[in-house]
Amino acid sequence: DVVLTQTPSTLSATIGQSVSISCRSSQSLLDSAGNTYLYWYLQRPGQSPQLLIYLVSNLGSGVPNRFSGSGSGTDFTLKISGVEAEDLGVYYCMQATHAPLTFGSGTKLEIK
Amino acid sequence: QVTLKESGPGILQPSQTLSLTCSFSGFSLSTYGMCVGWIRQSSGKGLEWLANIWWNDDKYYNPSLKNRLTISKDTSNNQAFLKITNMDTADTATYYCARDTMGILMDAWGQGASVTVSS
Repeated sequence: DVVLTQTPSTLSATIGQSVSISCRSSQSLLDSAGNTYLYWYLQRPGQSPQLLIYLVSNLGSGVPNRFSGSGSGTDFTLKISGVEAEDLGVYYCMQATHAPLTFGSGTKLEIK
Repeated sequence: QVTLKESGPGILQPSQTLSLTCSFSGFSLSTYGMCVGWIRQSSGKGLEWLANIWWNDDKYYNPSLKNRLTISKDTSNNQAFLKITNMDTADTATYYCARDTMGILMDAWGQGASVTVSS
């Protein structure tokens, strides 16, 4: 199975600060058709996960544009440009290029 | 508006079979490109993808659960189902269903169903 390694495991930020989360894959996530199936989700405390970013850099429906995704191959990044209080929770990357779908272990964002 | 809701037994004993239902609205599993998947999360741990079923009845499973999983759907009643045989205490988790579409996976999630396996 593809292993996704997220760093850092915990992140502490002040309101308005910009932060980045890294997701590194044990294999390239570029498929033979030129697609990269890398996704980002946020799980707020006590809630279900919600989609933030799909196919590396596309914003999910209703997701604020302070969230952005980038990367290629095995290295991907989620950036929050100006953290807000509602952004606290655990962020997960997920890959669907290789079966089975796998998730990273998560990055917990705390608000100072 | 897309909504999904999981239902299950809550508690079951080791070796029993878990039956979960995902009832959804706002889309149809008979529509081209639509899919429903199941994901679980153990207490304090991360997410594990289990299986999904597509509009054309294609089904995909996580090999780590070997032959214990069966996914199915009832298009007429907007429901999807997951059965897991031979449940163990290690299967204690919150089980989520989520909608997938081609290219945009898990864009809507249910609230989750808590399942405890205990003797």
